[in-house]
Order: sequence, then structure tokens, then C-alpha cells
Amino acid sequence: AAGVIQSPRHLIKEKRETATLKCYPIPRHDTVYWYQQGPGQDPQFLISFYEKMQSDKGSIPDRFSAQQFSDYHSELNMSSLELGDSALYFCASSLGRGRNYGYTFGSGTRLTVV
Amino acid sequence: GENVEQHPSTLSVQEGDSAVIKCTYSDSASNYFPWYKQELGKGPQLIIDIRSNVGEKKDQRIAVTLNKTAKHFSLHITETQPEDSAVYFCAASLTGNQFYFGTGTSLTVIP
Repeated sequence: AAGVIQSPRHLIKEKRETATLKCYPIPRHDTVYWYQQGPGQDPQFLISFYEKMQSDKGSIPDRFSAQQFSDYHSELNMSSLELGDSALYFCASSLGRGRNYGYTFGSGTRLTVV
Repeated sequence: GENVEQHPSTLSVQEGDSAVIKCTYSDSASNYFPWYKQELGKGPQLIIDIRSNVGEKKDQRIAVTLNKTAKHFSLHITETQPEDSAVYFCAASLTGNQFYFGTGTSLTVIP
């Protein structure tokens, strides 16, 4: 079965650079979620989109922005990168906003800021 | 917002023994409680979930119990196997959109 696809798998950036992470949800899923997981930490909710509109907002820094496109894929744009942004970034998708509980995570993008 | 606490942070068991991981939550309105297994370098995988209108749910060697009054829920793994070794996260959700995760339990099953 198709899963949530994230790209790239690994990304190395320097401080103050920008990064774009992409997420392709499971086909027919219309809701996308972004989480940040620091080393040894639990995943922290950043933001979610339903039907291309922002749905919920968590602890996403102002330096980050995200959007969901017409084909339901999503991109997380990160600017003015800081060392503390080094983390695993997970995308998850589900069908229906709040209607079908339990969503599927992708394998993540490991961002390293040097 | 919701606050989820998880214990223990690390757990070692002999193969074949049972493992129990416990979580508490703060928001009595939370109504959905999934458990995720995360292996190294991979995304969290849903292994079992429970809704607030159910007290217990089983799936083969895995079971979850929920005590709404006490606001705690537990994961039980019986007949543990080495491949059960991973980090396990509990989570709580009100809307089914935003999940609040516990801090994780690193489970090691010793052959």
C-alpha cells in the first residue's frame, strides 16, 4: 500500500540558510500534519492542513511557513535556519479532518543545520 | 493545552515476559488515545488505539486500557519478542487532528 512520502530523507544546511521539505500524502488523504522531533524528544505538532487550508497551528516558529497544494502535497519552508532547528521532521496524512482518527506518518526528513 | 506524561522512559524485559507502559493526560475532553512504535530512523507507526467510549482493546499480543476517571491509559505487550524493541509513544487527542505525545519509552527485549 502507498505510504506517506517525504523528501528529501536527509538535508544538511548552514545557519541562516533556507530549507524546503516536501510531503506527499497517501492517495485520497486530504489532511496533512507536520511534526518536529528533536533528538531523544517526542514529536511536537507544528501545523496541519485540510483541503488546502490551514487547519490547526502548533508550535511552529514564525520563520517557518507551510502550505498544501492542489494535489494535496505539502511543503514546509524554513528560513533563517538555526542550529536548534536540527531535528527529524515528520509529515503525516489522514482522510478527513477529525473524522477518521489515527493518521499515518512518513519516514521523516532529517535536517541538520551546521 | 493537553499534557501527556509517560512512564517509564526506559524498560528492559526478558523475551517472553510482558511489558507495560503507562500514560496520564490532563485534558478530560481528550477522547482518542493512539500508541505509536518508532524504530530507529523511521516514522512513528500506529500499533493500537482506543477511544474514550471503550475501556479496553486487544490486538493479538498488544492491549490498551483506558481509565477515563483517573485520566490514564496503558499499553500492555505480552510474550515480548526482540523485534518489539523500539521507542513507544502514547498520545492524546481531542479533535483527531493535533496529537499530544508522551515523552516516549525505550523498550529493550533481551533474547
